Amino acid sequence: QKEVEQDPGPLSVPEGAIVSLNCTYSNSAFQYFMWYRQYSRKGPELLMYTYSSGNKEDGRFTAQVDKSSKYISLFIRDSQPSDSATYLCAIRRYNQGGKLIFGQGTELSVKP
Amino acid sequence: GAVVSQHPSRVICKSGTSVKIECRSLDFQATTMFWYRQFPKQSLMLMATSNEGSKATYEQGVEKDKFLINHASLTLSTLTVTSAHPEDSSFYICSATEGQGNSPLHFGNGTRLTVT
Repeated sequence: QKEVEQDPGPLSVPEGAIVSLNCTYSNSAFQYFMWYRQYSRKGPELLMYTYSSGNKEDGRFTAQVDKSSKYISLFIRDSQPSDSATYLCAIRRYNQGGKLIFGQGTELSVKP
Repeated sequence: GAVVSQHPSRVICKSGTSVKIECRSLDFQATTMFWYRQFPKQSLMLMATSNEGSKATYEQGVEKDKFLINHASLTLSTLTVTSAHPEDSSFYICSATEGQGNSPLHFGNGTRLTVT
């Protein structure tokens, strides 16, 4: 079993839709949760960083963590064509520095 | 936010030659930087941790003699792919944390290496 599972998609939605992206992880030792956005041929860009269960909101983006279910989500409201990218979830244990465990990434396409 | 700069963005080299990739933290000091590798349509895999002033720590399965890492200063780490072969063709991405411990990781824009 992989340490983190993410549906690779692709996911195609119309502009303005609410997008839901999800990951599950297997080990409760993971305490830090991140979402990155990666455009083609670019490095990942940090969108959200959290370490507690519950919701964290930043503009159109909401990260949700449910530690009891080992389930993390990223919601994108009012999606735009510019949101078209691959979204990667990443998890990390306490004090593991740069040792992130990444999901496979979900390829999102927002159609005008 | 923290900015990590990586150079070159793309390089093509012949089999058997060596290639150096630079990673700089532009607006912060990074005692530790990290090198990742990404194959097409796949996720990122940590290759090694670069420590300023000391030897790099490599992940299991990564050849330290092929992927030489030097962390010469608090803002610069280099990855040299030695005696490159076509199977080394990949997307190499460096990253760094702005602070200590559990700070989030910021990534450079990556280097696409093609070995012919």
